[in-house]
Amino acid sequence: AQSVTQPDIHITVSEGASLELRCNYSYGATPYLFWYVQSPGQGLQLLLKYFSGDTLVQGIKGFEAEFKRSQSSFNLRKPSVHWSDAAEYFCAVASVGWGDYKLSFGAGTTVTVRA
Amino acid sequence: NAGVTQTPKFQVLKTGQSMTLQCAQDMNHEYMSWYRQDPGMGLRLIHYSVGAGITDQGEVPNGYNVSRSTTEDFPLRLLSAAPSQTSVYFCASSFQGNSGNTIYFGEGSWLTVV
Repeated sequence: AQSVTQPDIHITVSEGASLELRCNYSYGATPYLFWYVQSPGQGLQLLLKYFSGDTLVQGIKGFEAEFKRSQSSFNLRKPSVHWSDAAEYFCAVASVGWGDYKLSFGAGTTVTVRA
Repeated sequence: NAGVTQTPKFQVLKTGQSMTLQCAQDMNHEYMSWYRQDPGMGLRLIHYSVGAGITDQGEVPNGYNVSRSTTEDFPLRLLSAAPSQTSVYFCASSFQGNSGNTIYFGEGSWLTVV
């Protein structure tokens, strides 16, 4: 069965500093990998996804993530954080193939941005 | 294009009451699912459907029932609400295209069982 671990429950970062959120997955084959962001009281917004090809994926809002098969990781990065990036971030994995779109989510990482 | 629409957005139930969370999508997606979100646990899959008339259980199906009579609608029924079902519920729909699965989420339904 697939699973996702986000080792950091909470991260505090200064505005303008870089941000890296860690994600480790467990899956027997090539995974689909996703990062979602959720602001308080809101739904989930897709930041980026990895399906195949280039292991460095660019997303919205200046985020990027790198798929490293050897480390079973899909870490999310942003070079310079804005106050509006304060939110909860979820990494998710889905199995590949027709008829199978079930996502397994990590527990989430809450990001606080200080001025 | 409305995407995935969930209703109601907020609901308070008494223990033992039943209710249905509605989910509709207008994108002609084959796949629909329901997740619940609890603090510190991320989102967990309750039930899913790969097409009209086909449903299956996810990770946490107990206490919930679903049906898929049309492609557009995928309601989630709580048969006898319990405080443990206090949660935020998200409906999702998806299709598989050339760039992999694209999964769309509704805005969530906040349910409190007292």
